[in-house]
Amino acid sequence: VLTQPPSVSVAPGQTATITCGDNNIGSKRVHWYQQRPGQAPVLVFLDDFHRPAGFPERFSGSRSGDTATLTISRVEAGDEADYYCQVWDSTSDQSVFGSGTQFTVL
Amino acid sequence: QLRESGPRLVTPAETLSLSCHVSGDSVTGSGNYWGWVRQSPGRGLEWIGSLYYRGKMYYNSSLSSRLTLSTRTSGNQLALSLTSVTAADTAIYYCAAYTLGGTVYGPDDRNYFDSWGRGILVTVSS
Repeated sequence: VLTQPPSVSVAPGQTATITCGDNNIGSKRVHWYQQRPGQAPVLVFLDDFHRPAGFPERFSGSRSGDTATLTISRVEAGDEADYYCQVWDSTSDQSVFGSGTQFTVL
Repeated sequence: QLRESGPRLVTPAETLSLSCHVSGDSVTGSGNYWGWVRQSPGRGLEWIGSLYYRGKMYYNSSLSSRLTLSTRTSGNQLALSLTSVTAADTAIYYCAAYTLGGTVYGPDDRNYFDSWGRGILVTVSS
């Protein structure tokens, strides 16, 4: 189970962090998706540290122990969305999504 | 580009059948893999299953007894069949894909989705 905070709120221009934790996250590579209301998810970060071509550099990813973090710098109103992490569990051959974080720009 | 289609209302205990029309890539190519993800109203994303090169498939263990995923070369489509549906299967069903190129060796190699369809809301109700 990938645990994410249910909600995160940040004022415009500030920095936001959204975490994704799992006791067995180990060597699993973590991917992140942004889902705006009424829209399909969009891949915003992949394999822990890589940003898809053309995606804003304000989005970055990191890892520490059993927690992966998506950081959004210089937050903008358009960043408001739900964010999900995802990993592949090679032990069970299953893909797993995190519980999701509702990100609000104050 | 991905586009889901199928009935939007399914009767309980019946079979939910969806198609995903793929344009721009071959559903049988080695450089792609495909998947289905669903989202119940007001809930998070749930992985349904993934299809890799040469027909290698991976199913959500909670759905595997009722689920069949396949590709149809005629029409370059993906297909999803979920039997014995209940109200708990009411959700937006998304077709998703990896399209960034290169040879994909399997889910341990790559397992994220860079392209998504718009989704189709399927309601299970009598």
